Amino acid sequence: SQKIEQNSEALNIQEGKTATLTCNYTNYSPAYLQWYRQDPGRGPVFLLLIRENEKEKRKERLKVTFDTTLKQSLFHITASQPADSATYLCALELDTGRRALTFGSGTRLQVQP
Amino acid sequence: GAGVSQSPSNKVTEKGKDVELRCDPISGHTALYWYRQSLGQGLEFLIYFQGNSAPDKSGLPSDRFSAERTGGSVSTLTIQRTQQEDSAVYLCASSPNRREKLFFGSGTQLSVL
Repeated sequence: SQKIEQNSEALNIQEGKTATLTCNYTNYSPAYLQWYRQDPGRGPVFLLLIRENEKEKRKERLKVTFDTTLKQSLFHITASQPADSATYLCALELDTGRRALTFGSGTRLQVQP
Repeated sequence: GAGVSQSPSNKVTEKGKDVELRCDPISGHTALYWYRQSLGQGLEFLIYFQGNSAPDKSGLPSDRFSAERTGGSVSTLTIQRTQQEDSAVYLCASSPNRREKLFFGSGTQLSVL
């Protein structure tokens, strides 16, 4: 079945290092992929959108790559800060039958000072 | 400007009762989504409205769940004969159009006793 996979284990890194989060998907080839940040008790907040014809996209300390051959997106936070600690979710349209955005289960990032 | 507004923020109900959850999307947004998030879990898609098209109801878990969107604006999610497993945070999101970023509300925490 079609699905989105994110590492369910928390990622712990030291402040100043680069955090790299992975989003893998199966079967379908989405036209675009989005990344969101979610803090406890809050709704997700949009970070970046990358389209299938874009290999990489950057916004300040954030970088997203999109490899449609590997069916994978990587999300990087450079010079990480404790304030970056949150759960990060990837989302895409999983198949042509469902037009709504489907979310992965998210990866929790903890940046240690 | 005003973001996505959800009410109530918290709802405690008894098993078997009906509940209505309200979502006021950002003005002018044609797409509206409902998701459910259980404690420590990812976002589960429920229903998606896009303009005047028929809604995508493929995520509704049972016929006890229904939703409507009046006048292309406010949406109400109704859960009939609530069960304890319905306890979760119900998140609403709107978007200017399909394939654009989602703006989430803060959610309604539903507790079924």
